[in-house]
Amino acid sequence: NAGVTQTPKFQVLKTGQSMTLQCAQDMNHNSMYWYRQDPGMGLRLIYYSASEGTTDKGEVPNGYNVSRLNKREFSLRLESAAPSQTSVYFCATSRDNQPQHFGDGTRLSIL
Amino acid sequence: AQSVTQLGSHVSVSEGALVLLRCNYSSSVPPYLFWYVQYPNQGLQLLLKYTSAATLVKGINGFEAEFKKSETSFHLTKPSAHMSDAAEYFCAVGSTGRRALTFGSGTRLQVQP
Repeated sequence: NAGVTQTPKFQVLKTGQSMTLQCAQDMNHNSMYWYRQDPGMGLRLIYYSASEGTTDKGEVPNGYNVSRLNKREFSLRLESAAPSQTSVYFCATSRDNQPQHFGDGTRLSIL
Repeated sequence: AQSVTQLGSHVSVSEGALVLLRCNYSSSVPPYLFWYVQYPNQGLQLLLKYTSAATLVKGINGFEAEFKKSETSFHLTKPSAHMSDAAEYFCAVGSTGRRALTFGSGTRLQVQP
């Protein structure tokens, strides 16, 4: 998906380590989102950003922080990784109520 | 508050058979409704969306969905399944003034030769 780029694609961490997931978009969309996907639970919203400089908590924000660096970039940080944060993380963008466009995901395993 | 229920976590059909994936929603305001498809190791792709225009919505790859307010449903159908339709499908609900979508838990479609 050339519009939304996530890095890295895969990552293995040890409990307690920190890392930042990166997301960049070239769609000129105002809104950006971070979701996590777990088996049988669909996608759950972690944080979202309606515009540059603003962020809001979603359904499952505990253990995460975000930064909307500019209009293009929205990063997700795990300060002290826990096994419960093993998941597939998706970044998405939208223009107001237009459908969200997704990146290909970051597969994160925490041992 | 909004929620989405997808009935059946796994659906199996024969190639050429009708595909029916069920989605029921709850929303206190007029909803926007979406169907997405996810192929293995990929992100979600939009199949179709309902945004209060025509109740029968046509999407990509021959899929369509009908919004039925009285039944609070938005079921996804395709007349004839193809092997390439095997994937996971997600229904989602949004609304004006609420920027994030609420997703269902997904239905994995298997197509048998």
